Amino acid sequence: AQSVSQHNHHVILSEAASLELGCNYSYGGTVNLFWYVQYPGQHLQLLLKYFSGDPLVKGIKGFEAEFIKSKFSFNLRKPSVQWSDTAEYFCAVNSPSSYKLIFGSGTRLLVRP
Amino acid sequence: KAGVTQTPRYLIKTRGQQVTLSCSPISGHRSVSWYQQTPGQGLQFLFEYFSETQRNKGNFPGRFSGRQFSNSRSEMNVSTLELGDSALYLCASRTGVVTDTQYFGPGTRLTVL
Repeated sequence: AQSVSQHNHHVILSEAASLELGCNYSYGGTVNLFWYVQYPGQHLQLLLKYFSGDPLVKGIKGFEAEFIKSKFSFNLRKPSVQWSDTAEYFCAVNSPSSYKLIFGSGTRLLVRP
Repeated sequence: KAGVTQTPRYLIKTRGQQVTLSCSPISGHRSVSWYQQTPGQGLQFLFEYFSETQRNKGNFPGRFSGRQFSNSRSEMNVSTLELGDSALYLCASRTGVVTDTQYFGPGTRLTVL
């Protein structure tokens, strides 16, 4: 069965620090990969997605993620975080033949001003 | 374009009761998925409907059911409520192609007493 692991449950950074959130998945076939963000009191929003092609994907608000197939990883990065990036971040995966998203447990990011 | 709307936003029920949650997708979207979000289990897929047919189902007991109407609006029903059903229930819509982005609604917060 597919599963997604996010090893960092809580991350605290100061503004301007660099961010990298880990995401590993288990699935033997082709996958679609996603990062969603949930700001306090707001809906889940898509940050970025990977279906195929260039493994380095750029998303909104300066976020990017790199798909490394050999490591089954899809880590999220941002060179310089802002206080407004405080949120919970979810990695998700589905197979091209499935319509259900499998989510990781989420990482709560707190950015201190 | 209006986003995904869910009603009601908050609900309090007692054990043994049943509840119906409603989701209106983005105009033109024919696929609606439901997810349960809890602190302990995270985001878990319940089911997905496309053109009034259930295409995918998660690992939830039969007390959880859903349906989709011809206008793509969807309802989710939970019968014989248990304390463990307390959760945020999220609805997501997309056009229907698996590569499309899922857009999430604000959720319905269900509390079972």
